Amino acid sequence: DSGVTQTPKHLITATGQRVTLRCSPRSGDLSVYWYQQSLDQGLQFLIQYYNGEERAKGNILERFSAQQFPDLHSELNLSSLELGDSALYFCASSVGRVLGEKLFFGSGTQLSVL
Amino acid sequence: AQKITQTQPGMFVQEKEAVTLDCTYDTSDPSYGLFWYKQPSSGEMIFLIYQGSYDQQNATEGRYSLNFQKARKSANLVISASQLGDSAMYFCAMREGIIQGAQKLVFGQGTRLTINP
Repeated sequence: DSGVTQTPKHLITATGQRVTLRCSPRSGDLSVYWYQQSLDQGLQFLIQYYNGEERAKGNILERFSAQQFPDLHSELNLSSLELGDSALYFCASSVGRVLGEKLFFGSGTQLSVL
Repeated sequence: AQKITQTQPGMFVQEKEAVTLDCTYDTSDPSYGLFWYKQPSSGEMIFLIYQGSYDQQNATEGRYSLNFQKARKSANLVISASQLGDSAMYFCAMREGIIQGAQKLVFGQGTRLTINP
């Protein structure tokens, strides 16, 4: 158990809908990262938050948004969903202070857009 | 621009043999870190090994070692005495910079390793 909790584990929805993925980082970790894993795109970095502030942005679509709350949990909002958004979405966390610190990953949310 | 390149989409190796998974990277930052993660079929991401750009020696963790060639910008993962349980997807990743809290980890496309009995 990595200590990172992601909910829900599976999500099935229709095109055009909006969903929210939730992540609780490990106790003490200030950084939260979101990744999207699909068969054709590999593991794509979406966005990173550190202590409530956005710190790095990757290939995140404008239809997607995220935030980190004062209690450090994070939510990834996906709207106007398309078939191509079907993927495994990972959340990861780390302390956020040291170059060599590893990321601890949650078990992911499998999103299926039908 | 692709910063992490894994040129082997798939590899097949006999059990008990050693295997090398290739990874090259691109950065102009003198401070960076290189990571390897394993993703078995169950889906979880498992940290294997880390190498810092200033580390003088190659990193080792049990059966895993990292062949770090800084001038060539390569960070190959070596698994000795492979086991059936090593069958998984392997990802190389890099983190640049030392600004606190701004240290995203960028992954390569991965190599699918299959260990044959």
